[in-house]
Amino acid sequence: ELKVEQNPLFLSMQEGKNYTIYCNYSTTSDRLYWYRQDPGKSLESLFVLLSNGAVKQEGRLMASLDTKARLSTLHITAAVHDLSATYFCAVDTPNSGGKLIFGQGTELSVKP
Amino acid sequence: NAGVTQTPKFRVLKTGQSMTLLCAQDMNHEYMYWYRQDPGMGLRLIHYSVGEGTTAKGEVPDGYNVSRLKKQNFLLGLESAAPSQTSVYFCASSLPWNTQYFGPGTRLTVL
Repeated sequence: ELKVEQNPLFLSMQEGKNYTIYCNYSTTSDRLYWYRQDPGKSLESLFVLLSNGAVKQEGRLMASLDTKARLSTLHITAAVHDLSATYFCAVDTPNSGGKLIFGQGTELSVKP
Repeated sequence: NAGVTQTPKFRVLKTGQSMTLLCAQDMNHEYMYWYRQDPGMGLRLIHYSVGEGTTAKGEVPDGYNVSRLKKQNFLLGLESAAPSQTSVYFCASSLPWNTQYFGPGTRLTVL
């Protein structure tokens, strides 16, 4: 059974600091996704990582994938308050009809 | 382009009542999904569909039924609501093996 675990689950940061969110998954996967969710809102796609060594960057966020270690990271550089949200990673599996298994989410709070 | 829309946005039910949640997408996506989101548990897949007329069970299908009579619509039904079904429900759609796009959610409370 595919399991996806994120850590930390809660993260309180000061503006200007760097930090990394980790996403571990338990079996072979084709793709790894990162989503952002603001309180009371829907999920917004951030990144899709398709292969080992893939790295994608958007603004202060950078995501990477190591399929051998079954690990993805979401690195935050020089955090700003606008990045406060819950971040989810999600993984799909071969022949799964595109089904995603989500991690528990990491609630990020960036304080001045 | 409205993307993925969900109806209703909020609903309160009494135990044992039934209801249907409607999801509609205008992106011509083949795949559609229903998730529930509960605090501390991420999103869990209820049912999904890989095409018109086809449906399949996800992680937590018990107590729910679905139908996909038209490509653009995916309905989620609760035949006899229970307090354990209090949750936020999200619909999503995608092209095969591609990013899923989520609707705004339906907040359901079962008393």
